[in-house]
Formats: sequence, structure tokens, C-alpha cells
Amino acid sequence: GNSVTQMEGPVTLSEEAFLTINCTYTATGYPSLFWYVQYPGEGLQLLLKATKADDKGSNKGFEATYRKETTSFHLEKGSVQVSDSAVYFCALSDNPWNYGGSQGNLIFGKGTKLSVKP
Amino acid sequence: GAVVSQHPSWVICKSGTSVKIECRSLDFQATTMFWYRQFPKQSLMLMATSNEGSKATYEQGVEKDKFLINHASLTLSTLTVTSAHPEDSSFYICSAKRGGTIGNTIYFGEGSWLTVV
Repeated sequence: GNSVTQMEGPVTLSEEAFLTINCTYTATGYPSLFWYVQYPGEGLQLLLKATKADDKGSNKGFEATYRKETTSFHLEKGSVQVSDSAVYFCALSDNPWNYGGSQGNLIFGKGTKLSVKP
Repeated sequence: GAVVSQHPSWVICKSGTSVKIECRSLDFQATTMFWYRQFPKQSLMLMATSNEGSKATYEQGVEKDKFLINHASLTLSTLTVTSAHPEDSSFYICSAKRGGTIGNTIYFGEGSWLTVV
């Protein structure tokens, strides 16, 4: 079945360091891929998404590219800030009718906790 | 600000009792809401899809008689854990689907930590 695997945390970085959180997936067909972020005490928020191969999602300095050949959607940021400390979830939608970016039912990874130190 | 509110954020209950978690969409009508559960160091797992005015659709392995879901209005879905056991202790989070002219968007609640003692 469909699944998402992301790197184990926690990840601790110094401010302005480069961030990579790896995410790979297993899916049939052409899923959409997402990164969600959960800041302390808040709900999950959509960070970025990509709906087809080679698409790059980006938001708030974060980027992730949909790589079908490697079934990956790694999250990157060139220079992290303390305010980026949160839990990051990679997810895929196996909704085959993805017109307009409908997220359908989401399958999540385990989440990666990021702590950024000043 | 939050568009989906979940309550309570934290709850401790005694084994054998029931506990109810509410999920509200604050400024939109949600015909579909989702309930997820996350055990420590595990993925968020979809438990059920809640459709307003009809019975919830449960994922395989989720006991519908134990996890009662009610979606009686377009802004409220509730999850009741009946006869709770310590192994039900987990993080429960809901999401609501907001329709738009271009596809749908999913908004998540803040989540609820349940501890059964």
C-alpha cells in the first residue's frame, strides 16, 4: 500500500544552518505530495505541496521537489531560524482525482521534530 | 488564526470511562471531517472520515463501536472514545475539508492528547 517514510528526529541545528529533512514515498499512480508543519500548541498547517513530477513547492524559504525517479520529496531550507522550530510531516494524497489540488485522504510520515538554537 | 478548533487539548480519564473530543470548523462549513490518531513515534493514521448527516467511514482495524463519531452539523464533529483503556492513550487530531472554487483545502485542529489511567 501507499506509505511515507521520513527521517527520524529530533534534528537540532544552529540558526542560519542548512536544513534537509528527507522524505520518500511508496505509491501507485501519481500522488500529490505535501509538507505540513506543526508549531508548538498549534494545529497542522500546510507548508508546501507539489502535484506532479518535477514540481517544486516553496513557501517561507522552504522548498521541496517532487522526484518521481527517486520517489522523494525532501524538504530544504538554506538558512533556518529559531522560529522554524516545529514538527514537520511529509504526506501524500492518494486521491486519484486531484484536480484543483484536492487533498483527499492524506497518508503521513511519522514527523520530524526540528529544534533551532540561537 | 485557527480555522479549525479542537477541544480539549489535553484530557486524562480513568480506564473504563468515555471521553469526547470536539472538532469545530470556525468560519466555514465542513461537509467532511477526518479523524487521525498518532501513537508515539508512529505516523498519523487516519481513523475515519466523518460526513455530515451520515455515518462515518472507518478505516480497517478501527472499531466503530469504540470510537463513536458524530457529525451532526456542518461545523462540528465529535469523537467519543468509549470504555477507554490505557492503550487508547494517544494524540488525536481532526481535520476539516473546506471546499472552494478551485479544489479543496484541508485544515487541521490543534490536536488532543488523551491519557487513560
